[in-house]
Amino acid sequence: AQSVSQHNHHVILSEAASLELGCNYSYGGTVNLFWYVQYPGQHLQLLLKYFSGDPLVKGIKGFEAEFIKSKFSFNLRKPSVQWSDTAEYFCAVKPTGRRALTFGSGTRLQVQP
Amino acid sequence: DVKVTQSSRYLVKRTGEKVFLECVQDMDHENMFWYRQDPGLGLRLIYFSYDVKMKEKGDIPEGYSVSREKKERFSLILESASTNQTSMYLCASSLSRGQGATGELFFGEGSRLTVL
Repeated sequence: AQSVSQHNHHVILSEAASLELGCNYSYGGTVNLFWYVQYPGQHLQLLLKYFSGDPLVKGIKGFEAEFIKSKFSFNLRKPSVQWSDTAEYFCAVKPTGRRALTFGSGTRLQVQP
Repeated sequence: DVKVTQSSRYLVKRTGEKVFLECVQDMDHENMFWYRQDPGLGLRLIYFSYDVKMKEKGDIPEGYSVSREKKERFSLILESASTNQTSMYLCASSLSRGQGATGELFFGEGSRLTVL
């Protein structure tokens, strides 16, 4: 079945550590890719998106993601995390021709001061 | 800014009750969606609508129905609530046409439903 996989379910880091969260998908063809974040008690917000062009995408709050088509991956990175980055992060994929996004299972990030 | 408003943040219902979850968006988006969010499972699509009175099943439609009588409003209906429908329900909307139509979803704050 076509799917989106986030392999890290729970990540604990200290402040200033570097972050990389994995996301792989199994759809063939053209896709639009997204990372959403959900801070405690808040609604889902878009961190960044890729739909064409430069495969290295920069988002809000210092986050970036790289689309590697050959690996079907769209990993999220941040060079130095802050306590305020504590949240749940969701990768999502929209294949061309579909209206809805398919989400991964999410990664809970806990940043310790 | 896009605003997606869900009418109830918290609901507690009994098994067998009929439940209505309402969602309104103010940006004239063609597409509207209902997802449920469960720990460890991420977001799963229940139903979506791409136009007034049009709907399509998502990945987990069983036990749910939807209604879209006006473009801005999309309702999720649980005909007979069951305990396994205890969850966080998220409404979202997106553009279907035009330059901004990348598929980006705009979410409401969610409705946490507990079925006893």
